[in-house]
Amino acid sequence: KAGVTQTPRYLIKTRGQQVTLSCSPISGHRSVSWYQQTPGQGLQFLFEYFSETQRNKGNFPGRFSGRQFSNSRSEMNVSTLELGDSALYLCASSEGHISYEQYFGPGTRLTVT
Amino acid sequence: QKEVEQNSGPLSVPEGAIASLNCTYSDRGSQSFFWYRQYSGKSPELIMSIYSNGDKEDGRFTAQLNKASQYVSLLIRDSQPSDSATYLCAVHPGGSGTYKYIFGTGTRLKVLA
Repeated sequence: KAGVTQTPRYLIKTRGQQVTLSCSPISGHRSVSWYQQTPGQGLQFLFEYFSETQRNKGNFPGRFSGRQFSNSRSEMNVSTLELGDSALYLCASSEGHISYEQYFGPGTRLTVT
Repeated sequence: QKEVEQNSGPLSVPEGAIASLNCTYSDRGSQSFFWYRQYSGKSPELIMSIYSNGDKEDGRFTAQLNKASQYVSLLIRDSQPSDSATYLCAVHPGGSGTYKYIFGTGTRLKVLA
């Protein structure tokens, strides 16, 4: 089975711009979670989608949003980028209903200048 | 505030020794427990999951769970320099609650050759 894929792997953006990150889960997985990881803060939960519905959301401003498509692929969007948004953004998938084993993609490294 | 706590380390052990990593959690309703390994610059990799009290062994890894004490641990036998990484403990409420994984901040393990 193919693993979780994320695109792009690296991004450089300027303050004020917006960005869209993509995640394709493991085949058969219906749950996709997004995390932000920075050296000082560790893994911070952004949101989780299951069968196109957001089931949970972390404590991030409304500039961070996401969605999930009928094929379980997910995107997250960050609008009006700030320098502090520079981080590794990780997507993880799981079956999400009976099994909660979660598998991470390689991440997208976002740098905001 | 539901939390997962880990000692940040670094935990230094000589090659061939047993490394013992510990994690405590605050939510008594937690049902699923996971250990992830994260190498520097890489995404977390699931290495163990445990759901019921007791020990679960997989190769050189043993996960131990004690729900009464709200404690989960990971033992790595015959530690190798390649085991040097940050180990993240994660807790999930299972089929009820918020469907939200809570991660500890991780313990950095250094295996000395």
